[in-house]
Parts: sequence; C-alpha cells; structure tokens
Amino acid sequence: DTAVSQTPKYLVTQMGNDKSIKCEQNLGHDTMYWYKQDSKKFLKIMFSYNNKELIINETVPNRFSPKSPDKAHLNLHINSLELGDSAVYFCASSQHDRAANTEAFFGQGTRLTVV
Amino acid sequence: DAKTTQPNSMESNEEEPVHLPCNHSTISGTDYIHWYRQLPSQGPEYVIHGLTSNVNNRMASLAIAEDRKSSTLILHRATLRDAAVYYCILRPTGNQFYFGTGTSLTVIP
Repeated sequence: DTAVSQTPKYLVTQMGNDKSIKCEQNLGHDTMYWYKQDSKKFLKIMFSYNNKELIINETVPNRFSPKSPDKAHLNLHINSLELGDSAVYFCASSQHDRAANTEAFFGQGTRLTVV
Repeated sequence: DAKTTQPNSMESNEEEPVHLPCNHSTISGTDYIHWYRQLPSQGPEYVIHGLTSNVNNRMASLAIAEDRKSSTLILHRATLRDAAVYYCILRPTGNQFYFGTGTSLTVIP
C-alpha cells in the first residue's frame, strides 16, 4: 500500500491550460504539504495544510490553489499554466507535532511539463 | 527558515563508512535536526532525526555536536543504493520542512 500517492505521475500540457494534481495519504496524518522541485533540484515548500486549514503559504502565484476536501487529500490546481511552472511537484504528509518530532512521508512526484 | 550548510557533493567507496557533515550554527534550542535523502527520480525519504543526543536506527546514525551547531549523518557501510542527495533540515515547529541544497553522494563500486 502506497502511503502517499500522487496522480498523475507525468503531465504534459500547453501554456494557458488549467490542470490539477491529486494527492492522497493513507497514514492518518493531519498535515499535508506541496513542494516544487525545479530543474536545479531545489525543493521549495509551497503550501502546508493542517486539519484542512492552510498553515503555510509561501510566495506562490495565486494561479496555484490547493484544496483539501478532507485530511487525507490535498489537491493542487494550477490555472493558466506558464512555462516556468514546469517542475516536479511533490506531495507529503506528517503528523503534526508542535515539537517537530515527527517525520514526513513524500509521494513519488508529478513531473509537469508545460509546452 | 532555519539555515543549514552542507558540502555540495561527496564520494565514498562501496562498503566503507560515510560521514556526511552539516553545519547549523544558528540552531535554536527547540529545533530538531532531520535528515532526508532523495534517490534518483524518487521523492525524499526520511532517514533519521534527533534533538540533542546521538541517534541510531536501521538506516544510519546521527551524531550531534555538544553545542548542536553541527551534526553528522553516518552511513556505516555505503552501498550503491545509498547514492542520493542527502538533506539536513532544521525543524523549528511541527509544520515546517525547509530543504537546503543537500549533499550529492556518489558511491564508487
């Protein structure tokens, strides 16, 4: 059983399109994240949700809108895709612990290519 | 976000121990030190974490300096499967995982 699963694994789309990436975790965690890894391999946090509430929203264009229908899901919707959005997007989850004494589990990533 | 400094790359011979260093001179008293690694074409995976004392698990050991301003991830016998980018992360609170540039480990057969 995959702990954190993302779909699709690959996504190729044209500029200007709207697309969504889905993420589900079956670990019972209450916190979920989206990360973007660019071509230079730098992993940058985009969003963090705790119990379906937005906790962290880094400087991300408002074309990116996360949606958390329940604690087990955090989907990422991207409007008006641009060439610079091409990257690998990772979803992750963890159990919130105020002392940061818990680990995060990552999905396998979604490689988004905008042409 | 809390700052860590790691060498860009390291090499190790297969079946030899590897010591991956990390400097975090601005660490605060409540920051946990976490290590993750990312194998090629995969998502990051948890390796180990600690606060003050040295830690061991089935994957690795974590040695934390007494002043906590640096730490070392120790792989006791490197295998080809250990070739990855290793990230040292400081976590000030439960909702934050900020990654640095990491160390790319090459294992030589």
